[in-house]
Amino acid sequence: DTGVSQNPRHKITKRGQNVTFRCDPISEHNRLYWYRQTLGQGPEFLTYFQNEAQLEKSRLLSDRFSAERPKGSFSTLEIQRTEQGDSAMYLCASSLVGQEELQYFGPGTRLTVT
Amino acid sequence: GQSLEQPSEVTAVEGAIVQINCTYQTSGFYGLSWYQQHDGGAPTFLSYNALDGLEETGRFSSFLSRSDSYGYLLLQELQMKDSASYFCAVEEIKAAGNKLTFGGGTRVLVKP
Repeated sequence: DTGVSQNPRHKITKRGQNVTFRCDPISEHNRLYWYRQTLGQGPEFLTYFQNEAQLEKSRLLSDRFSAERPKGSFSTLEIQRTEQGDSAMYLCASSLVGQEELQYFGPGTRLTVT
Repeated sequence: GQSLEQPSEVTAVEGAIVQINCTYQTSGFYGLSWYQQHDGGAPTFLSYNALDGLEETGRFSSFLSRSDSYGYLLLQELQMKDSASYFCAVEEIKAAGNKLTFGGGTRVLVKP
C-alpha cells in the first residue's frame, strides 16, 4: 500500500462554484478523517467516518460542506457555493479503530477560491 | 470545549536541545499525540502518551502529566532537517469514537 492519496492536489475555482475532493485511505484502515488547514495553523477537524458511517461533523462546518464514504473505502468532500474563506489545504487522514492517535495523512488538496 | 496551547516559534542551533510545551483543556482526555509537518508536507506521527511519564523514540521524547494537563516534546541533537512545525494533539473520548484535536503548532527553526 502506498499510503493515503488525495485528488486533485490543487484546485482553483471561482466563488460560487462547487468543488469535490477525493481521498483514498490506506486500504485496511476503517477510520477516515477530514481536516482543513490554513497557513500557520494546525489541522482543524471537519468530520470523520468509521467504514461508511459518518460519526461526527464539526459544528463549525456550514451546511455547504458535505462528505461521504459510500462503500467504506474512498471518501469525497464536497463544498457547494464556494467562498473565498474556503481557501485552505484540505487534508485527509486514516487510521485503524483503536489507534486513533496514529493517523496517516495524505498530501492534501490545496483549494484557492478567487 | 477544548483548547491547546503551545509556543508559536522556537529557534535553536544544530546539536542543541529544544523542548516544546503543550497545555490542554478538554473534558474527555485519552492521550496526547505529537506530529511533525515540514513546509509543503503532510503531518506525520512522532509520538504518543496515554500514561504519565516519558516515551523515548530515538532523538525525540515525549512526556505527559495528566494531573497537570501538560505535555512536552523534547528534540535532542537537533539537525537541520528538524526544522518544521510540531503539533500536539489531544485524543478525546467521544461516544462515537475517539478523535484528535490539534494545537496551533510550534515552528522550529534550526540554525547552523
